[in-house]
Amino acid sequence: DIQMTQSPSSVSASVGDRVTITCRASQGISSWLAWYQQKPGKAPKLLIYAASSLQGGVPSRFRGSGSATLFTLTISGLQPEDFATYFCQQAYTFPWTFGQGTKVEVK
Amino acid sequence: QVQLVESGGGLVKPGGSLRLSCAASGFTFGDYDVSWIRQAPGKGLEWVSYIRRSYNTVYYADSVKGRFTISRDDAKNSLYLQMNSLRAEDTAVYYCARVNFYDSRSFDYWGQGTLLTVSS
Repeated sequence: DIQMTQSPSSVSASVGDRVTITCRASQGISSWLAWYQQKPGKAPKLLIYAASSLQGGVPSRFRGSGSATLFTLTISGLQPEDFATYFCQQAYTFPWTFGQGTKVEVK
Repeated sequence: QVQLVESGGGLVKPGGSLRLSCAASGFTFGDYDVSWIRQAPGKGLEWVSYIRRSYNTVYYADSVKGRFTISRDDAKNSLYLQMNSLRAEDTAVYYCARVNFYDSRSFDYWGQGTLLTVSS
């Protein structure tokens, strides 16, 4: 199975900050990577698909990049509603797998 | 608007069975691949199973293979997960999710989830 490792596990930030989350795949997955945001008690929400494509309705401050084994999610100008947990997901091959999550907390 | 509504969760004893359902609306269900994903309390996300829109192709996580069966009824706009031989480690919120049409790999809509608790 392909292992997805996110770093950091948590990050403390302030409104307006730029936050970068990294997701590393244990083997190459081309660009078959998605990013999700999850708030407590809610279902995950798709932010980015195919590594860098912004899902409709998602603010442009969210940007995804990378390919093969290394991917990043960058939030430019953190907003109060962005404090949440973020997950990456590979869909290069079954079983599809998720990273362990990165919690963006208030500094 | 697109809606996915799961039901069927509850408390089950180890070794027991349960069937989860997911009712879809707001889109042509038969045109989409769909999946089940679960999240144990306080933990991350785990993909569980997938069924293609032609529903002759299914995939399972190793952790549930041989115990869980995914199925769909396009006439009823519904997705199911039959879970047998349940274990304590199956305790989780189970989400159904629609696979994104644009990449056929990500999940663009999720239900609100249904909680399964496996405990004696």
